[in-house]
Amino acid sequence: GAGVSQSPSNKVTEKGKDVELRCDPISGHTALYWYRQSLGQGLEFLIYFQGNSAPDKSGLPSDRFSAERTGGSVSTLTIQRTQQEDSAVYLCASSSQGANYGYTFGSGTRLTVV
Amino acid sequence: DQQVKQNSPSLSVQEGRISILNCDYTNSMFDYFLWYKKYPAEGPTFLISISSIKDKNEDGRFTVFLNKSAKHLSLHIVPSQPGDSAVYFCAASASGTDSWGKLQFGAGTQVVVTP
Repeated sequence: GAGVSQSPSNKVTEKGKDVELRCDPISGHTALYWYRQSLGQGLEFLIYFQGNSAPDKSGLPSDRFSAERTGGSVSTLTIQRTQQEDSAVYLCASSSQGANYGYTFGSGTRLTVV
Repeated sequence: DQQVKQNSPSLSVQEGRISILNCDYTNSMFDYFLWYKKYPAEGPTFLISISSIKDKNEDGRFTVFLNKSAKHLSLHIVPSQPGDSAVYFCAASASGTDSWGKLQFGAGTQVVVTP
């Protein structure tokens, strides 16, 4: 597609429920990144994919967080047993040339855990 | 431990004047620096970057300056326009395996350009 697409744009969930966030990167972009921005904070790295593998998942906050990418395209970030501190905007980005040349970000998914 | 710091959470500037945004970093392995701009309810968009082999990069109204010895960079916007009102994030990366990997972002500076 023309840009990075994320769905849903907003998600309200009850504490303890599982959520899935989806990212459709720009076609042909081999690198895909997940970040999150909590209220008043900067962007926090979560995980990045090169193709379908994840060379760096060091930013995932706990084992409740997981992500996968299939077909070198769509990625899903799953948060199990959501907690209130998981409330944030989750941003996905993709790149064809690596971090140094800038990512293209999606508009994000605003997750609210109540 | 935050490796990229933007110590000014907000900046107000009059239209037509210069906006100067500052960023400090602690990791001496960083060798590529980027600025992103973010409007509400949108993802950040890439603005300008600089490699550590340079000390200045200019693109239209935007200029980024890098002082490696001080581990400091700044973004100058001149002249400032109302459409520049946004949150600006400083980001950094290290070459090698990280060149495809993560960027470290600062907390952002909210710029408001007043008429």
